[in-house]
Amino acid sequence: DAGITQSPRHKVTETGTPVTLRCHQTENHRYMYWYRQDPGHGLRLIHYSYGVKDTDKGEVSDGYSVSRSKTEDFLLTLESATSSQTSVYFCAIRPIAGQYTQYFGPGTRLTVL
Amino acid sequence: TQLLEQSPQFLSIQEGENLTVYCNSSSVFSSLQWYRQEPGEGPVLLVTVVTGGEVKKLKRLTFQFGDARKDSSLHITAAQPGDTGLYLCAGSQAAGNKLTFGGGTRVLVKP
Repeated sequence: DAGITQSPRHKVTETGTPVTLRCHQTENHRYMYWYRQDPGHGLRLIHYSYGVKDTDKGEVSDGYSVSRSKTEDFLLTLESATSSQTSVYFCAIRPIAGQYTQYFGPGTRLTVL
Repeated sequence: TQLLEQSPQFLSIQEGENLTVYCNSSSVFSSLQWYRQEPGEGPVLLVTVVTGGEVKKLKRLTFQFGDARKDSSLHITAAQPGDTGLYLCAGSQAAGNKLTFGGGTRVLVKP
């Protein structure tokens, strides 16, 4: 158990509304990641963070922003949700810099109507 | 176009049969990982391979990293219904900050 929680676990919202997903970790790991998972695409990286206030874009960052004001929380925001952002979102942490293993949270299923 | 291609996309077999899942790329990776994911849960790491030609065994699962570090395979011997799930490979290039995932192979083992 890597001590990762995600909230909410399920959310239904309407097109054009803002949505914020939260990832919380209990072990002060430096690296945190947000992915989305869609059928046939595996997981695709949205944004990641390598420290408080230090973030970088992944391969599918358009329409998403992130914030990390403290080590334990990494927030993903959809400023104006679209139906193409309907997906399952996973947060992950990487415990050890220089090694590759990531551990994943339980996911948030987001539906944008 | 995905950097990592997994095949097959779906595999349905009977309990006791063997299966192999492939993960291929034209790019070189510093490491390659295999995850298994069950419905409603996040992926769970099975193994990490980092050396070209490396073979790792985890009970009935055998993982191999290609000599050129561009491909990998997962072989399951005498599959059981508990092996059912989505198998994902993921590669890391220099610095290891980011993982690139394959599209996944959905395995169904019927009793």
